[in-house]
Amino acid sequence: GEDVEQSLFLSVREGDSSVINCTYTDSSSTYLYWYKQEPGAGLQLLTYIFSNMDMKQDQRLTVLLNKKDKHLSLRIADTQTGDSAIYFCAEGGGRDDKIIFGKGTRLHILP
Amino acid sequence: DTGVSQDPRHKITKRGQNVTFRCDPISEHNRLYWYRQTLGQGPEFLTYFQNEAQLEKSRLLSDRFSAERPKGSFSTLEIQRTEQGDSAMYLCASSVEEGPGGYTFGSGTRLTVV
Repeated sequence: GEDVEQSLFLSVREGDSSVINCTYTDSSSTYLYWYKQEPGAGLQLLTYIFSNMDMKQDQRLTVLLNKKDKHLSLRIADTQTGDSAIYFCAEGGGRDDKIIFGKGTRLHILP
Repeated sequence: DTGVSQDPRHKITKRGQNVTFRCDPISEHNRLYWYRQTLGQGPEFLTYFQNEAQLEKSRLLSDRFSAERPKGSFSTLEIQRTEQGDSAMYLCASSVEEGPGGYTFGSGTRLTVV
């Protein structure tokens, strides 16, 4: 079945780049997503990439997609304390209409 | 439009009681989704509607769970005879039918069964 895997924790010093990695299984996924969840809040769509793209850049965010290896990454440049949150990788638009989420990576910012 | 609204934000109930949650999606979104999120996990799909039609239900949705979207606008999720294992955050999201925009999520209803 569909599955999305990501590491659970990442610690990064303020000002450094954060790279969050994800693997997925549904090769028919049309879109790959990154969502952000802050404490006590719902999920906020950060960015998405169409499956026929390799890279997408949006201000401090860079998404890389390796479709052959089904590997997705999110790079946050110049990480700030406000970036502290849980980041969910998700796939969608494949065999099903629903979006499948990973378990989330908790990003901790060190001073 | 104020986004996706969920009510209540928090619900504490005794085991065995029935609870009902409401979701008001973004008005021009014809798709509505329910997810459940437990601590340390990502959101798990429960069910979704296109307009008033319920198109898919997860195996997670036991017969104690029922969802409706009678007029294709707001939706309700009812849990009958609640169990402690039902304690979770119940998230509602909406989207347009086509396109890459992903979902817009509400802030969720946190259910605690005691």
